[in-house]
Amino acid sequence: AQKITQTQPGMFVQEKEAVTLDCTYDTSDQSYGLFWYKQPSSGEMIFLIYQGSYDEQNATEGRYSLNFQKARKSANLVISASQLGDSAMYFCAMTGTASKLTFGTGTRLQVTL
Amino acid sequence: ETGVTQTPRHLVMGMTNKKSLKCEQHLGHNAMYWYKQSAKKPLELMFVYSLEERVENNSVPSRFSPECPNSSHLFLHLHTLQPEDSALYLCASSQGPRPFNEQYFGPGTRLTVT
Repeated sequence: AQKITQTQPGMFVQEKEAVTLDCTYDTSDQSYGLFWYKQPSSGEMIFLIYQGSYDEQNATEGRYSLNFQKARKSANLVISASQLGDSAMYFCAMTGTASKLTFGTGTRLQVTL
Repeated sequence: ETGVTQTPRHLVMGMTNKKSLKCEQHLGHNAMYWYKQSAKKPLELMFVYSLEERVENNSVPSRFSPECPNSSHLFLHLHTLQPEDSALYLCASSQGPRPFNEQYFGPGTRLTVT
């Protein structure tokens, strides 16, 4: 079975600052994928970034980077230079050999002026 | 039209009604999914279709009935729902469902059962 834990129900960050959203996972699969999604108030889930369990380098996509620490089973999302439009719910998710995507409970990020 | 679209965006229905949710993907994917998102709960996978065949049904009550007539369209037929079925229903698609392929989501249908 897979499990995703997001311990921060809410986070605040000032505009232009960096913020880290925490995610830990648990799985018995040797090979798996980790994802982050953003969900604005409109409801749509927007794919942000992917990290494979065998990828040696941390994934980056623009202002998003994934701090992957395999031994600690953590996959934290780092958003650099926060913008007001980054205010949203952020979900960490994973999939393993069963191809089932398991989501965490999410972190609500609020970017302030 | 690009991406994944869902209609209607909002739906209010009584417990005795029958309605359908529609999802369409324009990404050339061959796997489609239905998820339920309730307040303060993780997204729950309901159904998975791969190449128009249902490959997963996560113990979903029979009052939810999926249909996938082709790889671009997915329906969720609803009948005799309960108030606890009120939620955001999200459709997604991927090139798969091979492992590790990201899923692309539609905007969701917010369902209220009265």
